[in-house]
Amino acid sequence: RKEVEQDPGPFNVPEGATVAFNCTYSNSASQSFFWYRQDCRKEPKLLMSVYSSGNEDGRFTAQLNRASQYISLLIRDSKLSDSATYLCVVNTGFQKLVFGTGTRLLVSP
Amino acid sequence: GAVVSQHPSWVICKSGTSVKIECRSLDFQATTMFWYRQFPKQSLMLMATSNEGSKATYEQGVEKDKFLINHASLTLSTLTVTSAHPEDSSFYICSARDPVNYEQYFGPGTRLTVT
Repeated sequence: RKEVEQDPGPFNVPEGATVAFNCTYSNSASQSFFWYRQDCRKEPKLLMSVYSSGNEDGRFTAQLNRASQYISLLIRDSKLSDSATYLCVVNTGFQKLVFGTGTRLLVSP
Repeated sequence: GAVVSQHPSWVICKSGTSVKIECRSLDFQATTMFWYRQFPKQSLMLMATSNEGSKATYEQGVEKDKFLINHASLTLSTLTVTSAHPEDSSFYICSARDPVNYEQYFGPGTRLTVT
């Protein structure tokens, strides 16, 4: 079983749609959680950290369920520029980041 | 935000040669840097943790004699791929950890093609 699992997609949505990504992790001792965005042939960039209480940054909302070891990302009012691969990332301790394979999002006009 | 640079951004080399990739933290001192590798359509995989002034810690399955890491200063870590083979062709990405907020900042990556 992979340490971090994501649906690879792609998710094809029209502009303005709401889309949700899910992620599960296997290490119950994981300490912190993140969503990164990676554009084609580029490095990953931090989108947002994920907190147990849930957090929101503009059109993006992240949720963490420690009991179920489940993380989600919700994107509202999708823009063309949101097209990218979204990586679920877990800090398993000692600052070691474990990356999921990513979920590809394609937003069309 | 913090900036991490990598050089070169891409390199093509012949099988059997060695290639050095540099990772620099430009506006903070990083005692710890990380080297990742990403094959097409796969996730980033941590190869090793580079600690300034000490030996790197390699992940299971990564050959330390093949992937030489040197972290000689607080702003520079290098990864040398020795005796490169076509299967080493990949996207190599470094990150540097900011000692103040512990956040990792990623370099732009180096695309290595071994012919």
